[in-house]
Amino acid sequence: NAGVMQNPRHLVRRRGQEARLRCSPMKGHSHVYWYRQLPEEGLKFMVYLQKENIIDESGMPKERFSAEFPKEGPSILRIQQVVRGDSAAYFCASSLREASTGEQYFGPGTRLTVT
Amino acid sequence: QQQVKQSPQSLIVQKGGISIINCAYENTAFDYFPWYQQFPGKGPALLIAIRPDVSEKKEGRFTISFNKSAKQFSLHIMDSQPGDSATYFCAALGHFGNEKLTFGTGTRLTIIP
Repeated sequence: NAGVMQNPRHLVRRRGQEARLRCSPMKGHSHVYWYRQLPEEGLKFMVYLQKENIIDESGMPKERFSAEFPKEGPSILRIQQVVRGDSAAYFCASSLREASTGEQYFGPGTRLTVT
Repeated sequence: QQQVKQSPQSLIVQKGGISIINCAYENTAFDYFPWYQQFPGKGPALLIAIRPDVSEKKEGRFTISFNKSAKQFSLHIMDSQPGDSATYFCAALGHFGNEKLTFGTGTRLTIIP
């Protein structure tokens, strides 16, 4: 039973470019969460999605960031016009049920470096 | 604002000793408290979790102690081993309708021989 998969594992972008991060949840999981981890800090919630719906995006920056979880395929976190401050590890987690009743399982993360 | 405070920031424990990490929360709506273990370059892995209807939960060498009135909970690692060296995060999650995990800032644990 494969765990949460994320790709790419490492991504280097120049300032102004776009970054696309992909997350495939565990089999059977329909709830996806994205978190960001800055160096030497804890994880900060960004967005919670179910298939084709954004449930909670209260942690997403208002501009340049967007997320989707289509009916088919992985969840995508998209960062437009990246800046140096976007450099971080981005983790995706999935759960079988709403997280309040089920655990969240994390992927290995995508480490984004903006040069 | 930070809603889950974690201490210490780093901890060094001798092999075979007990490692203790503490967390405190503010939001009384939290009702699920997991601990995650993270190795360098890896994602956090769920270690153990507790709900506020019990004061203690034990799984192998790992124990969570929970004090609802004080709004505090702690992770105890008994017979600590070098393989336990990692960063540990406490987290908290609210009841239905508030599914995001709020993480503490992490504790870097080092077990020395």
